Amino acid sequence: KAGVTQTPRYLIKTRGQQVTLSCSPISGHRSVSWYQQTPGQGLQFLFEYFSETQRNKGNFPGRFSGRQFSNSRSEMNVSTLELGDSALYLCASSLGRGAYEQYFGPGTRLTVT
Amino acid sequence: AQSVSQHNHHVILSEAASLELGCNYSYGGTVNLFWYVQYPGQHLQLLLKYFSGDPLVKGIKGFEAEFIKSKFSFNLRKPSVQWSDTAEYFCAVNQGTGTASKLTFGTGTRLQVTL
Repeated sequence: KAGVTQTPRYLIKTRGQQVTLSCSPISGHRSVSWYQQTPGQGLQFLFEYFSETQRNKGNFPGRFSGRQFSNSRSEMNVSTLELGDSALYLCASSLGRGAYEQYFGPGTRLTVT
Repeated sequence: AQSVSQHNHHVILSEAASLELGCNYSYGGTVNLFWYVQYPGQHLQLLLKYFSGDPLVKGIKGFEAEFIKSKFSFNLRKPSVQWSDTAEYFCAVNQGTGTASKLTFGTGTRLQVTL
């Protein structure tokens, strides 16, 4: 079974631009979560989607948004990029919510210049 | 707010030495507990998990962890490390209900195994 895939793997943007990252979960997984990983802040939860609805949101500004499609694929969007948004963005999928392990993708490395 | 503490930031061991990495969490309710590993250049992989039942759980590659509820701890152990265990290890927790999948991660422990 294929793992979690994320596209693109690398991205360079300039301040003020917006970006959309994509995540395809493991087949059959219905929950998709997004995390930001930086050297300074570590791994931080962004949001979780299940059945096309955002179920949980981390402590990030409204510039960070996402959505989930009927096939469980998910996208996250960051508008008005700032230098501090440079990070590895990880997507994780799980069969359901709560007591299920999450499987992580390779991430999208976003660099904002 | 829930938090996870990993007290060892960088651990250096010789091959065949025993390993114990500490993890403590702050949430007082039912929790699900995880250890993930990130090998150099690779993505996060699940090492082991605890949902309920036997507090001693075994994972892949000879790793195990013990959940001690009274100490809010979930320490990772391996009796004899190998050079290939060099990686960063993350402890993670989520609330043990059916309505929350938010993982809170510790800051990670970088393990370096020398030959």
